[in-house]
Amino acid sequence: KQEVTQIPAALSVPEGENLVLNCSFTDSAIYNLQWFRQDPGKGLTSLLLIQSSQREQTSGRLNASLDKSSGRSTLYIAASQPGDSATYLCAASLYYGSSNTGKLIFGQGTTLQVKP
Amino acid sequence: KAGVTQTPRYLIKTRGQQVTLSCSPISGHRSVSWYQQTPGQGLQFLFEYFSETQRNKGNFPGRFSGRQFSNSRSEMNVSTLELGDSALYLCASSLVGEGAFFGQGTRLTVV
Repeated sequence: KQEVTQIPAALSVPEGENLVLNCSFTDSAIYNLQWFRQDPGKGLTSLLLIQSSQREQTSGRLNASLDKSSGRSTLYIAASQPGDSATYLCAASLYYGSSNTGKLIFGQGTTLQVKP
Repeated sequence: KAGVTQTPRYLIKTRGQQVTLSCSPISGHRSVSWYQQTPGQGLQFLFEYFSETQRNKGNFPGRFSGRQFSNSRSEMNVSTLELGDSALYLCASSLVGEGAFFGQGTRLTVV
């Protein structure tokens, strides 16, 4: 059974800091790994998608890596800003045959606060 | 292109009633999944529909059901509502290789 864990549960940093959010999963047979952002009371916004054959993806100040052998993914946020304050969730997509499914297994999230 | 649309955004229902939530996926996406989010349990998978067929099902009681129409729009139904069903219900549509995209959710409050 796939389980996804995120550490830390909460993080508070001063503006400008570089930071790393961690995600681990128990079953390496994932189709892809996706990072999301959620603002309070809102839906999820997709940040980065890493296919199982990839090692990392970058978008602006965000970089996500994937190491299937160790069951880990990290989200690196460079030069953090107050607008980055949100909950960050990672989710593993499972296989269905040779393709992926819409079934995502989520971690509990890391709530980030960036102080001005 | 338009994103995932969920209606209604907010609902207040009484215990014992039933409720139907709607989700319109991104054009071209045939997979629609539903999730329940609560402060205590986080995001939990309810079910996935692909081309009008339920492809995956989470560990929820039979009071939770869904369906998908030929245009890929999906509905989720909860019968005999309980206080514990109060949650944010999220719908996601996905396409192979593109990942999942979520709607803004329906906030259900059961009183």
